[in-house]
Amino acid sequence: EAEVAQSPRYKITEKSQAVAFWCDPISGHATLYWYRQILGQGPELLVQFQDESVVDDSQLPKDRFSAERLKGVDSTLKIQPAELGDSAMYLCASSPRQGSSYEQYFGPGTRLTVT
Amino acid sequence: SQQGEEDPQALSIQEGENATMNCSYKTSINNLQWYRQNSGRGLVHLILIRSNEREKHSGRLRVTLDTSKKSSSLLITASRAADTASYFCATSYNTNAGKSTFGDGTTLTVKP
Repeated sequence: EAEVAQSPRYKITEKSQAVAFWCDPISGHATLYWYRQILGQGPELLVQFQDESVVDDSQLPKDRFSAERLKGVDSTLKIQPAELGDSAMYLCASSPRQGSSYEQYFGPGTRLTVT
Repeated sequence: SQQGEEDPQALSIQEGENATMNCSYKTSINNLQWYRQNSGRGLVHLILIRSNEREKHSGRLRVTLDTSKKSSSLLITASRAADTASYFCATSYNTNAGKSTFGDGTTLTVKP
């Protein structure tokens, strides 16, 4: 069964350092999402791509976060510089098409700890 | 916030019992989805219910939607220890282009 791949699974970094996460969605899925999930809370959407275009990045802290999906396939989320408050689980999800009627398939996530 | 809110925050039951968790939201929705998350893992989709539907079933899961009360419930019958997880509702509103907003979840513990 096809799965969303994410790496690394765990990342520890010092504040003010740069960190990057990678996501490979299910083949053929046009829509890709990045979420941040703080412990004890639900996922919060950071950015949504349709193919290589950003559809929604209204909650992305653009002064330090950036995301790209250059060829409309895999995607990278970067934080520079990292802050203590960025410690969270970063989840990637994909769906076949844009639209809320399609279920999202989630990867295992990257657990980020900023020290 | 327009996100769904789950209730209760935590639920502990014995294996074999039924578990019911609720989700309330504030404005009209296109659809509502339920997801499960095992500890430290990604989310898994369970059921999608559209605004014109009142009830859906999937195996031991039953979801209801009451748009007049702006609420949904997820019932897990004959629970198993493997059902121990956090359960989230995700609401989709009419004005967005595929965005679903997640609540903070209900943590279910099923004791063997």
